[in-house]
Amino acid sequence: GQQVMQIPQYQHVQEGEDFTTYCNSSTTLSNIQWYKQRPGGHPVFLIQLVKSGEVKKQKRLTFQFGEAKKNSSLHITATQTTDVGTYFCVGDSWGKLQFGAGTQVVVTP
Amino acid sequence: DAGITQSPRYKITETGRQVTLMCHQTWSHSYMFWYRQDLGHGLRLIYYSAAADITDKGEVPDGYVVSRSKTENFPLTLESATRSQTSVYFCASTRDRMNTEAFFGQGTRLTVV
Repeated sequence: GQQVMQIPQYQHVQEGEDFTTYCNSSTTLSNIQWYKQRPGGHPVFLIQLVKSGEVKKQKRLTFQFGEAKKNSSLHITATQTTDVGTYFCVGDSWGKLQFGAGTQVVVTP
Repeated sequence: DAGITQSPRYKITETGRQVTLMCHQTWSHSYMFWYRQDLGHGLRLIYYSAAADITDKGEVPDGYVVSRSKTENFPLTLESATRSQTSVYFCASTRDRMNTEAFFGQGTRLTVV
């Protein structure tokens, strides 16, 4: 069945630095989504990528969908303490949402 | 606008007991999902439903039962709770097969002792 792998599992970042988290699917996806979960909270939708090679930006966050629609990345520039949380990529296989294990981000002031 | 609500928020139960977690959404979304979240595993799909009276297994369905007699409700039942089912459970919904932005409930923290 479909598997979504996400790396790294943990990311310690100093405030102001950049980092990237990567997502790989074992199968071609119809689209990929990214969610953020703050400590103690629930996942919240960030963005959806649909087209091959698509790149979208949300302020300091840049999301990319691979050409083969099997991988994706999230790049955060100038990390802030508000970026703390776990970022999940989610593979969408025709309505069935498969979560990656997430990248837990810790920001050091 | 209530959105999607889960109850209870916290539950402690004994091994072997049956327990039901409730999920209610007010948007008439077609799809509903149950996930469990454990350290190191992210969110794992237990069951999902594409519409009323249509349910399907996810990644970890064993020990769980779901039903969906009405579009707005999607209860999850642990037939005979085990300690390995101690977890945080999230219910989510999406509008339809094409509009798949998921909206999550606040979660239910279940402890089986």
